[in-house]
Amino acid sequence: KNQVEQSPQSLIILEGKNCTLQCNYTVSPFSNLRWYKQDTGRGPVSLTIMTFSENTKSNGRYTATLDADTKQSSLHITASQLSDSASYICVVSAGTGTASKLTFGTGTRLQVTL
Amino acid sequence: NAGVMQNPRHLVRRRGQEARLRCSPMKGHSHVYWYRQLPEEGLKFMVYLQKENIIDESGMPKERFSAEFPKEGPSILRIQQVVRGDSAAYFCASSRLNTGELFFGEGSRLTVL
Repeated sequence: KNQVEQSPQSLIILEGKNCTLQCNYTVSPFSNLRWYKQDTGRGPVSLTIMTFSENTKSNGRYTATLDADTKQSSLHITASQLSDSASYICVVSAGTGTASKLTFGTGTRLQVTL
Repeated sequence: NAGVMQNPRHLVRRRGQEARLRCSPMKGHSHVYWYRQLPEEGLKFMVYLQKENIIDESGMPKERFSAEFPKEGPSILRIQQVVRGDSAAYFCASSRLNTGELFFGEGSRLTVL
């Protein structure tokens, strides 16, 4: 059964600090891995999409890494801001990468405080 | 350039009533997906449609749920005879290609009393 597990479940950090969110998956055959940011009461917004051959991908202060051998990914947030408070969802695509074959993690809820 | 539009944003229904959720994809997108999100759970795939065709409905409950994406107009997710367990946020997403980036709407939150 395809699964995506994220840790920690929730995290509180001070504004300006860095943090790293983890994602482990058992999706096969792997196609791509996506990170989304979901603000409370809003729809998810894409941060990065990484294929098998990509190890690192950045989007502003967000940097995602992928280790396809260990089936792990991380999302690093640099110099956090209050607006980073949200749930961060790891999503893995299986097979041919069609969007209908995505497995969603339950997310890490990040709170950035003053 | 409008994003994915969902309405209503909030819907309250009594048990046994029908709920209709609408989704207009982004301009130029012909692939539409519906997901359900329960509190504290990840999004669960329900159905994938293209214009006038259901491509994959493997995530749809066998009864009471149906979806369509007509030639003209928005995609509609229809839930008949709602029960309390149907209370959830229903998200629609669209993409230009089936393997492309997904763009999500803001969701429709259904509450069944």
